[in-house]
Amino acid sequence: SQTIHQWPATLVQPVGSPLSLECTVEGTSNPNLYWYRQAAGRGLQLLFYSVGIGQISSEVPQNLSASRPQDRQFILSSKKLLLSDSGFYLCAWGEPGEHEKLFFGSGTQLSVL
Amino acid sequence: AQKITQTQPGMFVQEKEAVTLDCTYDTSDPSYGLFWYKQPSSGEMIFLIYQGSYDQQNATEGRYSLNFQKARKSANLVISASQLGDSAMYFCAMREGLGGGADGLTFGKGTHLIIQP
Repeated sequence: SQTIHQWPATLVQPVGSPLSLECTVEGTSNPNLYWYRQAAGRGLQLLFYSVGIGQISSEVPQNLSASRPQDRQFILSSKKLLLSDSGFYLCAWGEPGEHEKLFFGSGTQLSVL
Repeated sequence: AQKITQTQPGMFVQEKEAVTLDCTYDTSDPSYGLFWYKQPSSGEMIFLIYQGSYDQQNATEGRYSLNFQKARKSANLVISASQLGDSAMYFCAMREGLGGGADGLTFGKGTHLIIQP
């Protein structure tokens, strides 16, 4: 069966520091991969998605970037964190196709102080 | 304009009662998919149920069913015989187009459901 791993679970970082959040998927090949952010008390906002290695699409211009160095690995990064980057970050995968369903990781709570 | 509207910020329901969580959507695309997710306090988003715009029958998954009313652009989630473990945030989401591209989902703001013993 397919599983998705996301780490770390929580992270506290100072303003201006770099960020790297990692997500890996097991048990599937060529998945679509996604990064979402959830602000406190709000729904999810799509940040990035990827249909293959090295292919990244950004939904929202911001201080973050994403990379997909391997088929089942998706990384969210920042060179210098802002206070506004605080939030709950969720990685998700989906099997490409007409009725793609998204399955999420357990999330990373990021606090920028 | 919001594409997904969940009008109930919070709901209190007695255990064992049925629950209906409202969701309306806005799209001009004839092809779309509708989803419901559950987010317990742990934070993980758990997929519950899916309805395609061309599906003739309402989707069901165990105690979950989706009351799909296409003309009204409504996709309410019904939970039968609620349990204490159903207490969580519930999100309605939509994907426009069924072309198979990685378009992601648009989410509503959620409903906080609390099941009382």
